Amino acid sequence: GNSVTQMEGPVTLSEEAFLTINCTYTATGYPSLFWYVQYPGEGLQLLLKATKADDKGSNKGFEATYRKETTSFHLEKGSVQVSDSAVYFCALSKTDKLIFGTGTRLQVFP
Amino acid sequence: GAVVSQHPSWVICKSGTSVKIECRSLDFQATTMFWYRQFPKQSLMLMATSNEGSKATYEQGVEKDKFLINHASLTLSTLTVTSAHPEDSSFYICSAGRGFEKLFFGSGTQLSVL
Repeated sequence: GNSVTQMEGPVTLSEEAFLTINCTYTATGYPSLFWYVQYPGEGLQLLLKATKADDKGSNKGFEATYRKETTSFHLEKGSVQVSDSAVYFCALSKTDKLIFGTGTRLQVFP
Repeated sequence: GAVVSQHPSWVICKSGTSVKIECRSLDFQATTMFWYRQFPKQSLMLMATSNEGSKATYEQGVEKDKFLINHASLTLSTLTVTSAHPEDSSFYICSAGRGFEKLFFGSGTQLSVL
């Protein structure tokens, strides 16, 4: 079936460090891929997306590239800030449903 | 921008009681809302799709008599956990919108059943 696997957190970084949060997926066909972010006390928000192989989604300094050969959609940011502390969810869409990963908590310290 | 409000943020209840969670779309009409559940260290799982004016569509394995969904208006959907038991303790999230790119989520409700 369709599924999303994310690295377990929490991921703890110092400010300005490089971030990678791994995400791999299992799906038939060509799903769209998403990263959502949930800041403390708020609802999930769409961070970025990619709809086909080799597409790169980017927003707020975050990037993720749709890699069909490795079935991955890893989230990266070159220099994290304290304000990036949140829970990040990788997801794929199949027909009319979103399938989420477990979420990865990121903690950035000054 | 559009906002989805979910209440309460957390609730503690005794085993056997029922708990109602509200999900409101504040500045748009939502003909469809979604209810998710997340257990610790597990994926956010879709429970059901709430349709205004009609019955909800439940995912496989979700008990419709246990999790009552009512979508009586275009701005409000409620999830009632009936006769709650400790295994129902979980994080519940609602969402509403059109398409995955314009999907807005509530901040979630942490339910703890004692």
